[in-house]
Amino acid sequence: AQKVTQAQTEISVVEKEDVTLDCVYETRDTTYYLFWYKQPPSGELVFLIRRNSFDEQNEISGRYSWNFQKSTSSFNFTITASQVVDSAVYFCALSEQGRDDKIIFGKGTRLHILP
Amino acid sequence: KAGVTQTPRYLIKTRGQQVTLSCSPISGHRSVSWYQQTPGQGLQFLFEYFSETQRNKGNFPGRFSGRQFSNSRSEMNVSTLELGDSALYLCASSLRTGGKDGYTFGSGTRLTVV
Repeated sequence: AQKVTQAQTEISVVEKEDVTLDCVYETRDTTYYLFWYKQPPSGELVFLIRRNSFDEQNEISGRYSWNFQKSTSSFNFTITASQVVDSAVYFCALSEQGRDDKIIFGKGTRLHILP
Repeated sequence: KAGVTQTPRYLIKTRGQQVTLSCSPISGHRSVSWYQQTPGQGLQFLFEYFSETQRNKGNFPGRFSGRQFSNSRSEMNVSTLELGDSALYLCASSLRTGGKDGYTFGSGTRLTVV
């Protein structure tokens, strides 16, 4: 069965610090997709990134970067030079190819960026 | 283009009543998925509809049902409401089934059962 674990329930950092959100997943499939979503206080989840299981290249988008390591089944998310607007709940998610065709979300990490 | 629209935004219902929530996906998206979000359980998958057919269903009782219309708009219904049904109900649309290309979420309907 597929599973996503975000061990960090809540993190607080001071603005401009770097912060990494951890995500560990479990799946028996060789083809799968990993995602990160952001849920700001307004409540609407926002799609940040998708990675497929065959693409282990790290990705950088502005202050955001993602580190995908199949060897450790991890897909970690780093925010560099954090800003108050980054305060939100961040969800890691997994979708397997075929069979169980849905996205499973982790429990989320609540990130507080302190001014 | 317009995003995913969920109505109503807020609802207060009494135990035993039923409720219908509506979701209009992004134009061109034929897949609509529903999730229940609670502080304790997080985001839990309810069901997915694609081209008016239910493709997948989560582990929820039969009181939770849904449908999709020919214009891809979807409704979910919860009958015989219980206090534990209080939650944020999120609708997500996507081009492909299973949200593999990434979901676009609506703002949600916050249901309070009293």
